[in-house]
Amino acid sequence: LAKTTQPISMDSYEGQEVNITCSHNNIATNDYITWYQQFPSQGPRFIIQGYKTKVTNEVASLFIPADRKSSTLSLPRVSLSDTAVYYCLVGDKNNDMRFGAGTRLTVKP
Amino acid sequence: NAGVTQTPKFQVLKTGQSMTLQCAQDMNHNSMYWYRQDPGMGLRLIYYSASEGTTDKGEVPNGYNVSRLNKREFSLRLESAAPSQTSVYFCASSFFIAGKTDTQYFGPGTRLTVL
Repeated sequence: LAKTTQPISMDSYEGQEVNITCSHNNIATNDYITWYQQFPSQGPRFIIQGYKTKVTNEVASLFIPADRKSSTLSLPRVSLSDTAVYYCLVGDKNNDMRFGAGTRLTVKP
Repeated sequence: NAGVTQTPKFQVLKTGQSMTLQCAQDMNHNSMYWYRQDPGMGLRLIYYSASEGTTDKGEVPNGYNVSRLNKREFSLRLESAAPSQTSVYFCASSFFIAGKTDTQYFGPGTRLTVL
């Protein structure tokens, strides 16, 4: 199982771009990189998934370098409502992926 | 379309009591999962069911049993609750295709306290 490492916490201010980097040095060839967001007292919610290069949706962008040993979740112009825990997961099957402690993002006014 | 629903939302048990957590999804997903989340921690997979009629152990299965009742429902049973099982339990479902990772949809969780 590919292990992931991400910062425990990050602070930002409203309107700023936030980049959260996840390291996954032993990622396997078939593994995808998936990010989830979790608000207090709620289940995680899917944000974005990618395999290589760059993926963008209406919520975020995911940058993956050629060696795929890391990935960066980019949240443009964050607001207070983006305060949450963000999880980076790596795997090719949901039952093989592990949720680590995640990155606790706090957005300040 | 309710997504993933879980009952109950809260439960307090005494050590040694048993209970079953219920989960249902209406998205026609084939795979379902049970996780637990301890305070300040990430989620840990207890059991999963890749398809109707199959169940497999996850990372922390000890002390739990599961039943995939049909395609929609996946229950988690604690036969003899212990204080170490105090946690928030999340059910999730996804449309699993071999070799591809699919989005998991999570329920609102069940907050369980074992005294």
